[in-house]
Amino acid sequence: DSGVTQTPKHLITATGQRVTLRCSPRSGDLSVYWYQQSLDQGLQFLIQYYNGEERAKGNILERFSAQQFPDLHSELNLSSLELGDSALYFCASSVASGQGDTGELFFGEGSRLTVL
Amino acid sequence: GQSLEQPSEVTAVEGAIVQINCTYQTSGFYGLSWYQQHDGGAPTFLSYNGLDGLEETGRFSSFLSRSDSYGYLLLQELQMKDSASYFCAEAAGNKLTFGGGTRVLVKP
Repeated sequence: DSGVTQTPKHLITATGQRVTLRCSPRSGDLSVYWYQQSLDQGLQFLIQYYNGEERAKGNILERFSAQQFPDLHSELNLSSLELGDSALYFCASSVASGQGDTGELFFGEGSRLTVL
Repeated sequence: GQSLEQPSEVTAVEGAIVQINCTYQTSGFYGLSWYQQHDGGAPTFLSYNGLDGLEETGRFSSFLSRSDSYGYLLLQELQMKDSASYFCAEAAGNKLTFGGGTRVLVKP
């Protein structure tokens, strides 16, 4: 158990819909990262927040948005869903901001999104 | 395209040694991490190299050469439970960017 909690674990929805994925980081971790992993693919970095502020952005589509709240939990919003958005979405957390840290992220178990 | 390159698949027998190479190209590089991911599971941290040289953690070791923009993960005394995907990840700027992963299949 990494200490990172993601909900929901599984989600099935239709094209054009909107969903929200939630992540609670490990106690004491200020950074939250979101990654997308499609079937048999690597982990694509989407976005990082540190203590409520956006810190780094990856290949995140305009239809996707995220935020980190004062209690440090984070939400990833996916809208106008397409079939290709079906994937496992991981949240990870770390103590540091990302610069010069050990690269050790603690991953949640992921939210599996299926778009039909 | 990927700024990190690693082989897609490696097969070995129990007890053998496997080396997974990883090359990177990003400027502003801080260090190289390695993660293990079993099918259906979450990635878990294995090691980090911020400086050149070898880091050893039990049966797993990781190496970095900044001058060659290259690192590797060494899996020794392979066990069946080591069958998994292994990802190198580069820390650069505020991002941790993952390679495409190497699927390691351990056979009896």
